[in-house]
Amino acid sequence: QVQLQESGPGLVKPSGTLSLTCAVSSGSISSPKWWSWVRQPPGKGLEWIGEIYHTGNTNYSPSLRSRVSISLDKSKNQFSLMLTSVTAADTAVYYCVRESTYGSSIDYWGQGTLVTVSS
Amino acid sequence: EIVLTQSPGTLSLSPGERATLSCRASQSVSSRYVAWYQQKPGQAPRLLIYGASNRATGIADRFSGSGSGTDFTLTISRLEPEDFAVYYCQHYGTSPPRYTFGQGTKLQIK
Repeated sequence: QVQLQESGPGLVKPSGTLSLTCAVSSGSISSPKWWSWVRQPPGKGLEWIGEIYHTGNTNYSPSLRSRVSISLDKSKNQFSLMLTSVTAADTAVYYCVRESTYGSSIDYWGQGTLVTVSS
Repeated sequence: EIVLTQSPGTLSLSPGERATLSCRASQSVSSRYVAWYQQKPGQAPRLLIYGASNRATGIADRFSGSGSGTDFTLTISRLEPEDFAVYYCQHYGTSPPRYTFGQGTKLQIK
């Protein structure tokens, strides 16, 4: 049973950079799966941010592409998210997730971490 | 980009009743790319259905999915108390955005 755990600052200042890490346990970040970040503003729906493959290939949401970067650290079995020039609209619960065994869906989710953008 | 519209926004039913949740895509999509999730307050979403009609591991058989083209349905045959939650449909894109979600249907106790 793969487990995902997000970590990072819960408060980021406007115009700053949001940085989160997802630690993967009971599974390898080097397995042939896509690892993604999904966010959910308080009381709202889900938004996919981007993904990374075990090879380091990445894809990003067109709406966030200019501000987002996802990277992999195989030595620590983790992957990370950076989102620059944040505003209050970036306040959300951020989930790290893994592509499902069946493909085309998500079967493993972290518990989520709330990041608030405020001065 | 595919837009998913879920209806109704809120559904009020009693335990034991049948729930029918709808998800409409802005254009025809392959059913293999449609999934459904359940989310309870304070929890991450849980995969229920993938490929429009296949139950994920450990999902009770009272949950079923159907549909094709632009119209997809999640049916809960007999509601249990633990089924009251928010449900999201999802489309997988072969190019980014990889996952697109509907706005959700809140299933609440009547």
